[in-house]
Amino acid sequence: AQSVTQLDSHVSVSEGTPVLLRCNYSSSYSPSLFWYVQHPNKGLQLLLKYTSAATLVKGINGFEAEFKKSETSFHLTKPSAHMSDAAEYFCVVSDRGSSNTGKLIFGQGTTLQVKP
Amino acid sequence: DAGVTQSPTHLIKTRGQQVTLRCSPISGHKSVSWYQQVLGQGPQFIFQYYEKEERGRGNFPDRFSARQFPNYSSELNVNALLLGDSALYLCASRTGTSTDTQYFGPGTRLTVL
Repeated sequence: AQSVTQLDSHVSVSEGTPVLLRCNYSSSYSPSLFWYVQHPNKGLQLLLKYTSAATLVKGINGFEAEFKKSETSFHLTKPSAHMSDAAEYFCVVSDRGSSNTGKLIFGQGTTLQVKP
Repeated sequence: DAGVTQSPTHLIKTRGQQVTLRCSPISGHKSVSWYQQVLGQGPQFIFQYYEKEERGRGNFPDRFSARQFPNYSSELNVNALLLGDSALYLCASRTGTSTDTQYFGPGTRLTVL
């Protein structure tokens, strides 16, 4: 069965410093992996996705993630944090099991705090 | 193009009541999924519909049901509401294949008193 584990429930950085949000996945299949962001009282916005093409995936707003099969990781990074990056971030795997529903399996989320 | 839309934005119900939530997918998208997000947790899959047929169901009781209409819009119904049903209900749409990206609506915030 597929699953994702977000290793930090809360990350705090200063504005202008790098961001690292960690995610490990478990999948019996070649996974499709995503990062979504949720700002307060808002829906989910797709940041980026990995679907077995390039292992380094570039997303919106300067975010990128690297798929590492040997480490079963898909960490999200950004070189320089902005105040507007403060939000909840979800690492997500698409269920591609026998039912092939394509349902999304979410991690518990990481709250990113950006300090001025 | 408009994104995924959901109505209503907020809803307050009392225990035992029934509720219907609505979702309109992005134009051209034939698949709609529903997720429940309890405060402080990641969303949990409830249903997926494609071409008006249920294609997947999460671990939710039979009090939860859904349907998809010919125009691909969808309704989620919850009967006999419990306090624990209080959550943000999210609808997502995609073109139809299992590897497509899912695009989420803003959600309906349901409060059960």
